[in-house]
Amino acid sequence: KQEVTQIPAALSVPEGENLVLNCSFTDSAIYNLQWFRQDPGKGLTSLLLIQSSQREQTSGRLNASLDKSSGRSTLYIAASQPGDSATYLCAVIYNQGGKLIFGQGTELSVKP
Amino acid sequence: DAGVIQSPRHEVTEMGQEVTLRCKPISGHDYLFWYRQTMMRGLELLIYFNNNVPIDDSGMPEDRFSAKMPNASFSTLKIQPSEPRDSAVYFCASSLAGLAGGGGEQFFGPGTRLTVL
Repeated sequence: KQEVTQIPAALSVPEGENLVLNCSFTDSAIYNLQWFRQDPGKGLTSLLLIQSSQREQTSGRLNASLDKSSGRSTLYIAASQPGDSATYLCAVIYNQGGKLIFGQGTELSVKP
Repeated sequence: DAGVIQSPRHEVTEMGQEVTLRCKPISGHDYLFWYRQTMMRGLELLIYFNNNVPIDDSGMPEDRFSAKMPNASFSTLKIQPSEPRDSAVYFCASSLAGLAGGGGEQFFGPGTRLTVL
């Protein structure tokens, strides 16, 4: 079964800390992987898209890596800020099926 | 660009009533997706269109659900009759490229929060 798993489900850190969110997927045959941010009661904001041929993508304080062989991706957030508090979702398009499959998300809280 | 636009933002209706959700994708995007988000099941793809044509509707839960895309700038998701278990947030998303392009980045609308009493 094509699944996406995110650990931990929730994370609380003090402001200024660097942190890593984890995402794992069950099949290495993927088209791409996308990280999203969702604020309470709001829609999803696309953060980073990594194509299957890429190893990482960076945007500001965010860096996402992709290791297809191990079925893992990480989202690294540098110097976290209270404004980073949100739920972070990882989603994968598998070669077989072609749909964006979402993980359950990691709820991040950055304390001032 | 204004991004993906959805209406209404909130909908409260009674069981048995017809519900119509609306979406305007980003101009120039030729893929449109409808998702449903619940606490129990997370985000699930219901159906997606390419150039206004439905490509995969295997995620549509029942015949009570239907979706149309009469033109490149408008899509509807209809539930008739609605049931309490349909209560969820429904998102519309669009992208410029599909699988042939390596899978395009998807941009989401703000969602419609549906409550069926």
